[in-house]
Amino acid sequence: AQKVTQAQTEISVVEKEDVTLDCVYETRDTTYYLFWYKQPPSGELVFLIRRNSFDEQNEISGRYSWNFQKSTSSFNFTITASQVVDSAVYFCALSEAGQGGSEKLVFGKGTKLTVNP
Amino acid sequence: KAGVTQTPRYLIKTRGQQVTLSCSPISGHRSVSWYQQTPGQGLQFLFEYFSETQRNKGNFPGRFSGRQFSNSRSEMNVSTLELGDSALYLCASSSGRGEGVGDEQYFGPGTRLTVT
Repeated sequence: AQKVTQAQTEISVVEKEDVTLDCVYETRDTTYYLFWYKQPPSGELVFLIRRNSFDEQNEISGRYSWNFQKSTSSFNFTITASQVVDSAVYFCALSEAGQGGSEKLVFGKGTKLTVNP
Repeated sequence: KAGVTQTPRYLIKTRGQQVTLSCSPISGHRSVSWYQQTPGQGLQFLFEYFSETQRNKGNFPGRFSGRQFSNSRSEMNVSTLELGDSALYLCASSSGRGEGVGDEQYFGPGTRLTVT
């Protein structure tokens, strides 16, 4: 069965600190997709990144970087030099291929990040 | 390109009533998914529609139903509302190429439903 675990419920940092959000997943499929979404107080989920199971290259986008390790079933997200605007709830999600084309996402419980000035 | 829109944004209903929520996907997107978000259960998949057909369904009672129209707009309906149905209902759209390729899903702002 699919499962996504975000063990960190809440994290609080001071501006300019680096912070890593952890994500561990479970799946029986060999082909799957991992996502990170950001949910600011407004409520709308904002897509950040998608990674497929065959691409273990780390990715960097500005202050954001992602570390995908199949050996540990983890897909961690790091924010470098955090800013107050990064304050939000961050969700990790998993989608398996072979669901008849369905794009069902299984989400973790989310990590609430607070960046203090 | 306009994003995903959901109406209404806020809704207050009484136990036993029914409610219909609407979602308009991004132009050109054919797949619409619905999710329920509550503090206790988090984000849970309700169902997905593609080309007017339900392609997948989550583990929710039959009181929760949906449909999709030929223009890809979707509605979800909850009948006989219960207090526990109070939640943020999020709609997401994707291109829905029909191959389970992990398409990026773009979410709307949600409908906040309160059942009293």
